[in-house]
Order: sequence, then C-alpha cells, then structure tokens
Amino acid sequence: DGGITQSPKYLFRKEGQNVTLSCEQNLNHDAMYWYRQDPGQGLRLIYYSQIVNDFQKGDIAEGYSVSREKKESFPLTVTSAQKNPTAFYLCASSILQGGLYGYTFGSGTRLTVV
Amino acid sequence: GENVEQHPSTLSVQEGDSAVIKCTYSDSASNYFPWYKQELGKRPQLIIDIRSNVGEKKDQRIAVTLNKTAKHFSLHITETQPEDSAVYFCAARGGTGGGNKLTFGTGTQLKVEL
Repeated sequence: DGGITQSPKYLFRKEGQNVTLSCEQNLNHDAMYWYRQDPGQGLRLIYYSQIVNDFQKGDIAEGYSVSREKKESFPLTVTSAQKNPTAFYLCASSILQGGLYGYTFGSGTRLTVV
Repeated sequence: GENVEQHPSTLSVQEGDSAVIKCTYSDSASNYFPWYKQELGKRPQLIIDIRSNVGEKKDQRIAVTLNKTAKHFSLHITETQPEDSAVYFCAARGGTGGGNKLTFGTGTQLKVEL
C-alpha cells in the first residue's frame, strides 16, 4: 500500500465522541503529517512530527490531538471539540535529510459525523 | 507563514491540447515546489517537483517552470489525454523552519474532453 497505511478507510462518529485515525509507515521516514481535505479548500495541515515524542501544530490544530511514540506510527484523534469533523483525512510521511523531498501519502480516511 | 494560491480552480481542455496551471507563493525563502495529482477517491501522487536553484524541469509530457523573482511556478501538460483528468495540487516548502512542511494550493480540477 505504498509503504504508508491508514485505517479505517471509512469512519462514522456520533456527536460528542472522540475517534482515532491510524497511520503507520514502514518507509523509515523521519517526518509524518496529518492533512484535512475539504472540497475546494485543498489540503490543510493539522499536525506534523519530525521526530519521535515531538510534534507541532499546523494551521488547523484546534479539536485534534496526536502522539508520536514510535517512528512508524502517528495516530490522530478527532475530539468532540472539533465542531465540523466531516472530511477526508490524509496522512503523509517524508525524508527529512536535506529537507527537499515530497511526501508519500496514505490512502486516506473519510470521517462522517452521524 | 507560507501562503500558496492556485489558479484556475477548474480547467477543461480538448484531448491533445495543452493545459497550464499556475501557482503563486508568498515566502521568498521557499526552496521546493512539488506538484501532486489526485484521481477521484485516491491518494495524491507526486508527479514532478522543482527546487529553487532550477528554472525549469521536464518529464515527458509534463513540465514545471519557476520564476523566483515573481514568486510563481506553473505546471504544463502537453498532448493531454483522458487519463490526465484529475485534481492537481501545487505546494511550496517555506524556507523559515518547519522541517519539510508543505503548504498546498487549493487544487485545480482538470477535465480532458474527447
């Protein structure tokens, strides 16, 4: 699956629930990222991590949380504080050395609030 | 932070014609500019990229040009084919820290008509 796996592919959340999206990579990439994709708005950065046990907020971090306990894994939790969570979520990873590399994306998780 | 604008939002061409998508960026220190293609329901795929020390790069039917003075870069697709129909995203890596963090444009829906 291109070395980066997201699960589940589809996720349904009830109002007030927290849900966690999984992202795992076996590319030995240092950096991992979470983007949210909405129609007509492109990809917006939620959180990113360059090293284990460290991560930074992106442009739209409110209502989301992450952890980076292992190099291979970067799960995203969508909390009940996120008022409009219905979207397509993409995880990506990249090499950091030299800093001039593109991303490898996962296949995405489509989250719907019911 | 970096800001990337992309135009047009939709583009329709006849098969065999050329297509051009343009992006502008705000951070004069940005040094890496990738382009991604996303087919319906699939993950974005890197199709070409350019670094700030190069003015043009070509790969078969696709090419990217970079004008650092004007802070804009463009994707050119020649001899378009139906399989080129997809959403295309430009991105820029800001030069002021943030590891390999990319800022994306809002996307261009390209439709190649028979």
